[in-house]
Parts: sequence; structure tokens; C-alpha cells
Amino acid sequence: DTEVTQTPKHLVMGMTNKKSLKCEQHMGHRAMYWYKQKAKKPPELMFVYSYEKLSINESVPSRFSPECPNSSLLNLHLHALQPEDSALYLCASSQGPWASPNFGPGTRLLVL
Amino acid sequence: EDQVTQSPEALRLQEGESSSLNCSYTVSGLRGLFWYRQDPGKGPEFLFTLYSAGEEKEKERLKATLTKKESFLHITAPKPEDSATYLCAVQAAETSGSRLTFGEGTQLTVNP
Repeated sequence: DTEVTQTPKHLVMGMTNKKSLKCEQHMGHRAMYWYKQKAKKPPELMFVYSYEKLSINESVPSRFSPECPNSSLLNLHLHALQPEDSALYLCASSQGPWASPNFGPGTRLLVL
Repeated sequence: EDQVTQSPEALRLQEGESSSLNCSYTVSGLRGLFWYRQDPGKGPEFLFTLYSAGEEKEKERLKATLTKKESFLHITAPKPEDSATYLCAVQAAETSGSRLTFGEGTQLTVNP
């Protein structure tokens, strides 16, 4: 298995909802990432987990809460989001922190 | 601060018309330079990693080269399926390996 999978593909949520994005990889990669991408812009790094420990938090608002239950899974818990949080959320993984990230297909999030 | 500038912002080619995309970078010690391809609404797809000046890598119609200040992505005899946004990113040796600095991308359109 050489893919990063993400669910759901699309998500619409209200500003008072709580939802979670899920990411999975079975390549034995030890670094996993969350990126946010707005239209016509490059991906912006949000969080990095290295060996299942949070190693980078790019000053992301607390309404985004990452979780790494094990080496294959990465979640992003969402609560009280704002319309400006609407974006494509990308999960990625790499063999280690110095290797090139492999991206998943993304979750298209719309906050109403 | 690490910076990546890609040019042109957009490029239209006729099928078979070869051209090059540019990625200029400023980084405090380059660890690696990455090229990705991204189709609309999808996650970036990894193409190449370059580590040192003079290095070249090829894949089908694409060839990436690296100097101390810039990288080029040469596209030979492009086909319509090469239409995508091409992203360049750098990884600095002195920062956390997990952190990439992306350029804004070049949107390539290849007309049949």
C-alpha cells in the first residue's frame, strides 16, 4: 500500500459543529502532517507528528486539535470553526522528518 | 527567512512545445528541493527531490535541475495531460526537517 487515504472527501459543517478528519497510511512512515490549502495558494503546514509525538504546531488556533492514535493514523478534530477555515485539508506522511512528504487526496471543508 | 519564488505564474503551451519552469530560492543551507504536481481539487503528487547543485533527475517528459540559487523543471514535448500546477518547495538544513517552504506554483496549461 503506497497511498495516504483521507476521509471524508467532502465535509460541510456549521460553526457550532464538532467534526473530525481522518488520515491513514500503511507505508511504515514515521512522520505525519496536516496542511491547509486555500484556493490558488500553496499548502500551509499546520502540524507535524514525528514518531507519534507532536513536533511542530505552526501557531494553529485551538479550534483545530490534532491527534495521532498510532503510527498509521492521524486525526484532526474540528470545533467552532469560522467560515474562513473553509479550505482543502491535506494529510501527508514521510519516512522520516527529512524525507519528501507524500500527500493524500485531501478533505474539502466548507464552514457555513 | 527562507523564500521560494516560482515563475511564470501561469504558462500556456501548445502540445509538443517544450519549455521550462523556474524556482528561485533563498535558504539558510539547502537540505533538499522538492517538485510536486497538483491537479485541481487533489493533493500534490511528488515528482522529484534534488539535494545538491548540478544534480538532475528525469521522469518521462520532465527533467529537474538544480543550481545554488534556482531549480528548473524542463518539460519536453508536453501533452495535455501535463496540465497542472507545479509546486516547488525547499527544506532548510538548519530548521526542523519536517518544515517545507513552498512557492506559489506555476499553473501550466497544455493545449492540444
